[in-house]
Amino acid sequence: GENVEQHPSTLSVQEGDSAVIKCTYSDSASNYFPWYKQELGKGPQLIIDIRSNVGEKKDQRIAVTLNKTAKHFSLHITETQPEDSAVYFCAAIAGANNLFFGTGTRLTVIP
Amino acid sequence: DTEVTQTPKHLVMGMTNKKSLKCEQHMGHRAMYWYKQKAKKPPELMFVYSYEKLSINESVPSRFSPECPNSSLLNLHLHALQPEDSALYLCASSHGTDDQPQHFGDGTRLSIL
Repeated sequence: GENVEQHPSTLSVQEGDSAVIKCTYSDSASNYFPWYKQELGKGPQLIIDIRSNVGEKKDQRIAVTLNKTAKHFSLHITETQPEDSAVYFCAAIAGANNLFFGTGTRLTVIP
Repeated sequence: DTEVTQTPKHLVMGMTNKKSLKCEQHMGHRAMYWYKQKAKKPPELMFVYSYEKLSINESVPSRFSPECPNSSLLNLHLHALQPEDSALYLCASSHGTDDQPQHFGDGTRLSIL
């Protein structure tokens, strides 16, 4: 089955700086890669996603890149704000509705 | 606010109790999911319903019994749970194809005494 690795497990940045979270996956059949943000006491919320036929996608301060050859994808958050503090999960879908999560990154934005 | 609604938000039960968790979505999604999430861990898939039929059961103990009464509702019936079953139980829904996102509710925080 699919195996998704995520790094780093914790990340602290100063407000206004950029944050980068990296993930790798093992199954070359995976074709959809969502990113979720989970705040305390809430469920995971989809913040951006990318499909395997696209190399990069941007939505305001958030961008995701995908390298299918190397089987890795990354989340980039620019101009970080305190409200960006949360746990972020990358994920991959390898068919049959199977969503495989990475281990999570706890992002802390220091005001 | 999420488009997947879960009730109750919190539940405390003894090991001999029977209770049910409920999930509802009105996005027209045809796939619904139950996940279990322990502290500081990612969600773990428990069950998948596709077009109201159970399609995936990730070797979940029989003390957890899912039910999908219709395409908008998903229940999880609980009986004789163990303390290690204390966790956040998340429901999600999606269109059901492998290139569409799953949308999560805010979960039920379950504590077993």
